Amino acid sequence: GAVVSQHPSRVICKSGTSVKIECRSLDFQATTMFWYRQFPKQSLMLMATSNEGSKATYEQGVEKDKFLINHASLTLSTLTVTSAHPEDSSFYICSAPVQGNQPQHFGDGTRLSIL
Amino acid sequence: GQSLEQPSEVTAVEGAIVQINCTYQTSGFYGLSWYQQHDGGAPTFLSYNALDGLEETGRFSSFLSRSDSYGYLLLQELQMKDSASYFCAVRDRDYGGSQGNLIFGKGTKLSVKP
Repeated sequence: GAVVSQHPSRVICKSGTSVKIECRSLDFQATTMFWYRQFPKQSLMLMATSNEGSKATYEQGVEKDKFLINHASLTLSTLTVTSAHPEDSSFYICSAPVQGNQPQHFGDGTRLSIL
Repeated sequence: GQSLEQPSEVTAVEGAIVQINCTYQTSGFYGLSWYQQHDGGAPTFLSYNALDGLEETGRFSSFLSRSDSYGYLLLQELQMKDSASYFCAVRDRDYGGSQGNLIFGKGTKLSVKP
């Protein structure tokens, strides 16, 4: 079964809207979660690393004021796309390591479409 | 820079065996993973190699040679449902025991024909 739950699976909204995406670890605690973005027919690109109890670490070129990350608890990280524009339309995916050096498991992703 | 190279497309027939290669060049190395992604879906974990050698999981096997910065995913007894994109990914950092982030290759689109 799924070990990482991500909601919503799809969002369609108008330009200028802020959209919140939730990522939950199921049955385990995740002090670290990762947020990726994937454009059509391209690979996954890491946007930021979400850290429980501290600020997120953003990759170069990712606007921290536009992509707000909050890791409020050991099982929940949220990504808020603020004032979204059509160029923000993409597939956003979170992931979390189950434990130690085990590989990451991904949520089902959120397909964001900004009109 | 950091890079992972893998073929962009591979085509094979049902029942055949396919090998997808991956070479990597990263600042650090803490394991090579393979993920499967169907169109419109999220990546699904397939296999992980931290040490040299072959790991077998059912019809899928993965190999790693750290000295050659090379690995491959081997898919046997191909089925139509195996048509998907396959990504190799390297963990390049060690966050003090927690999982570092993954750097992904561009993916190999596998098409399985009847």
